Amino acid sequence: GESVGLHLPTLSVQEGDNSIINCAYSNSASDYFIWYKQESGKGPQFIIDIRSNMDKRQGQRVTVLLNKTVKHLSLQIAATQPGDSAVYFCAETPYGNDMRFGAGTRLTVKP
Amino acid sequence: DTEVTQTPKHLVMGMTNKKSLKCEQHMGHRAMYWYKQKAKKPPELMFVYSYEKLSINESVPSRFSPECPNSSLLNLHLHALQPEDSALYLCASSSRTGGGEKLFFGSGTQLSVL
Repeated sequence: GESVGLHLPTLSVQEGDNSIINCAYSNSASDYFIWYKQESGKGPQFIIDIRSNMDKRQGQRVTVLLNKTVKHLSLQIAATQPGDSAVYFCAETPYGNDMRFGAGTRLTVKP
Repeated sequence: DTEVTQTPKHLVMGMTNKKSLKCEQHMGHRAMYWYKQKAKKPPELMFVYSYEKLSINESVPSRFSPECPNSSLLNLHLHALQPEDSALYLCASSSRTGGGEKLFFGSGTQLSVL
């Protein structure tokens, strides 16, 4: 299995394929979730968010799915492009508290 | 303007130095944050300011001292840091604290402590 904290989980996809990045969140009281994209040398950039009263939300080329039963969040990127290569973080906000980040996944897009 | 501006972008300091990181936003946000990010790790919350008052300190050592002079500015004063404090320091803002709002991040200050 994965060695926690030693390296980021990675996902490598071919350009044009769809990507699915998964995240398990920890707090059943969390009611707001965000996906951020972080490129090298930059701060996290907002991609899409979802509230706990929804189970799916779509943006431009991205879809977020929320499964509260198993505390799982996923980010789907359609027609992945080289510019999508980055580290992707999910973040959760338990009601009344401030944002905490998950471990992150490095997405590499092969041309 | 949806930008959070951080200066400097890079900083190298010795363990006896005193330096400050600066952050500015003009989105009218009333919540501002400092996060610390080590390589290949997620950002970790350090401090939260709400309406210019410190509302959360995540047990951060006193060698890090935050300051919020007004609703647009956030500083992080550094003194007697250790090499293990080397990291990317990220500032963020949101319209309010307490969850349910997206954070806007700056590009960070890459800090190296020698």
